[in-house]
Amino acid sequence: QVQLQESGPALVKLSETLSLTCTVSGGSISSYYWSWIRQPPGKGLEWIGHIYDSGSTNYNPSLKSRVTMSVDTSKNQFSLILSSVTAADTAVYYCARTHRRGWDPGWFDPWGQGALVTVSS
Amino acid sequence: EIVLTQSPGTLSLSPGERATLSCRASQSISINSLAWYQQKPGQAPRLLIYGASSRATDIPDRFSGSGSGTDFTLTISRLEPEDFAVYYCQQYGRSPLTFGGGTKVEIK
Repeated sequence: QVQLQESGPALVKLSETLSLTCTVSGGSISSYYWSWIRQPPGKGLEWIGHIYDSGSTNYNPSLKSRVTMSVDTSKNQFSLILSSVTAADTAVYYCARTHRRGWDPGWFDPWGQGALVTVSS
Repeated sequence: EIVLTQSPGTLSLSPGERATLSCRASQSISINSLAWYQQKPGQAPRLLIYGASSRATDIPDRFSGSGSGTDFTLTISRLEPEDFAVYYCQQYGRSPLTFGGGTKVEIK
C-alpha cells in the first residue's frame, strides 16, 4: 500500500524559506495529483496546493505568491517551498495523494504522518 | 472560494448513540464533490467518505454520508469508543479546495 513521509527542517527562521520533501513508497507517483496541506496547532486544515506528475501545479491563491512545488518522478518525491515565512506559517505540514474526479483533483488519501515546522526569530 | 461551515462545533454523546454532523457550503458543490475525514489527536486525517456518500476502503458501515447541493451530512449510526475524534468535510468541486472548520465528537 502507498505510504507517504514528509522530511525537512523542523525549525525555520522568520523571513526565511521553508522546504519540505514528501517521499512516496509502495506505489508510483504517476497519474495522481500530490498535495500539501497544513494545520496550525489547534486549528483546522488548509490546502496549500498540488502538483501533477507532469509538473503542472495549482496553488491556493492565499499562498500563491510564496509557494513553489516540484516533483522528481525518478525518486518518487515531490517538494514544497514556502518563502518569506512568518509565525503564521507555523503548522503541521502534511503531504497527501490526491485522487482525481475525472481530470480534476479530488479527495486526499492517504496522508503522510505530518511534519511540524516552527517559525521562530 | 467555497466556504464550508460545519455544525455543531462540538457534539457530546455516549457510546452507542447516533451522531449526525452537518456541513453546509456557501455555494452549490458540483457532482457531490465532498469528502469527510476523521482526525484523532497527534494523527493525520483519515479519509472516511468521498463523493458525498461513498465509503473509503476499510471504513465500517456505521459511517454514512448523504446530501447534495449545499447541505451534506455525516452519520455515525452507533458510536464506538474509537469514533470520538474531530471530523472535517472537504469540497473538491471548485478550486481552491477547502475544508470545513471541523466538528469534535466527544464522550458525554
